[in-house]
Amino acid sequence: QVQLVESGGGVVQDGGSLRLSCAASGFTFSRYGMQWVRQAPGKGLEWVSFIRSDGGSQSYADSVKGRFTISRDNSQNTLFLQMNNLRPEDTAVYYCVRDGSGHYFDYWGQGALVIVSS
Amino acid sequence: QTVVTQEPSLSVSPGGTVTLTCGLRSGSVSTSYYPSWYRQTPGQAPRTLIYKTNTRSSGVPDRFSGSILGNRAALTITGAQADDESDYYCVLFMGTDIWVFGGGTKLTVL
Repeated sequence: QVQLVESGGGVVQDGGSLRLSCAASGFTFSRYGMQWVRQAPGKGLEWVSFIRSDGGSQSYADSVKGRFTISRDNSQNTLFLQMNNLRPEDTAVYYCVRDGSGHYFDYWGQGALVIVSS
Repeated sequence: QTVVTQEPSLSVSPGGTVTLTCGLRSGSVSTSYYPSWYRQTPGQAPRTLIYKTNTRSSGVPDRFSGSILGNRAALTITGAQADDESDYYCVLFMGTDIWVFGGGTKLTVL
């Protein structure tokens, strides 16, 4: 079955950096686009970033553009999110999500908590 | 800045029917936005319910249905059950690999 397992979350200071990883299994990773979605404590879901199946194209929400970089290693079935210049408002659970064919989010990981302290 | 709107909260009686909607502050929602719907209970990851306006995700009961109602996307739950009490989110595909979530609807079954 499809499994997405995030890692790399933790506490970082304002202005710091962190890299999230997402290990994928149960499907042919290289055939699917992948997404990151986040949820601040007590708030709603926010789309963060998308990468196409071959890694050739990426897109970002305005709130993270220029600070976050999404990437993937299809040989290792792993998705990444490099987060630089972190701000307290980036504090959230970050979900790794498989992109469904049909412009939607079909499988979700359990999430990784990132806390940015000021 | 694109704003996707949802009712902040709704309530439904057990066995009843409720419709949640997903709109745009400026403009109308159509199938071209590929509206999809997700359900989340506290402490859990979201679960996919509906995609491409009206296609149920695997394992989702047919009590859940999606549609376009007027200028909004809609999620209708019939025969509401106690465990339908959750937060529900819609998301719209804005093109050029950009998505925007609505603020979510907290559904109470009482």
